[in-house]
Amino acid sequence: DVKVTQSSRYLVKRTGEKVFLECVQDMDHENMFWYRQDPGLGLRLIYFSYDVKMKEKGDIPEGYSVSREKKERFSLILESASTNQTSMYLCASVRGNEQFFGPGTRLTVL
Amino acid sequence: GQSLEQPSEVTAVEGAIVQINCTYQTSGFYGLSWYQQHDGGAPTFLSYNALDGLEETGRFSSFLSRSDSYGYLLLQELQMKDSASYFCAVRDDGGSQGNLIFGKGTKLSVKP
Repeated sequence: DVKVTQSSRYLVKRTGEKVFLECVQDMDHENMFWYRQDPGLGLRLIYFSYDVKMKEKGDIPEGYSVSREKKERFSLILESASTNQTSMYLCASVRGNEQFFGPGTRLTVL
Repeated sequence: GQSLEQPSEVTAVEGAIVQINCTYQTSGFYGLSWYQQHDGGAPTFLSYNALDGLEETGRFSSFLSRSDSYGYLLLQELQMKDSASYFCAVRDDGGSQGNLIFGKGTKLSVKP
């Protein structure tokens, strides 16, 4: 079974802090994604990566950056957290036409 | 712009059949997927349609009409555990990235 894990289920940070969200997948997938999910807005793509050290902006990259130093790990970075980044963050990897999601990190920025 | 439209909420009773529709307008189209997400859980893959027609997997079926830019998810013999949000998603490129554009989701409530 494909397993996608995320470093934290719940996270509380203060405005201006640098925040790291980690995602690890164990199936050697090349493509990985970061989404945020907000009520009524569905899943919106922040960044994706199709190979180590490769990254592409999604629909809402502003305020975020990513890092992919190893194939299995894809990190989302909030350089200076703001209250409007309070959200559920979901990581996914893909095999064929199927995306496999991690359990999500609910981030609250105070 | 690119958009997917699906109803925000649907309510049905146990044992019934429910259909969740999805219409899309995207720059490219390679297939329509459906995902299920229970409250507090991660989305999980249900189905993928690349060609017109009906695909059946147990109690769930998914339909696609490319000419109408329309698809639906059909859930039969509804059970309480089917209460969840259902997202349609379009793969809009034929590359290897597997990028998806998601709809805003339909919250299905199954009543006893």
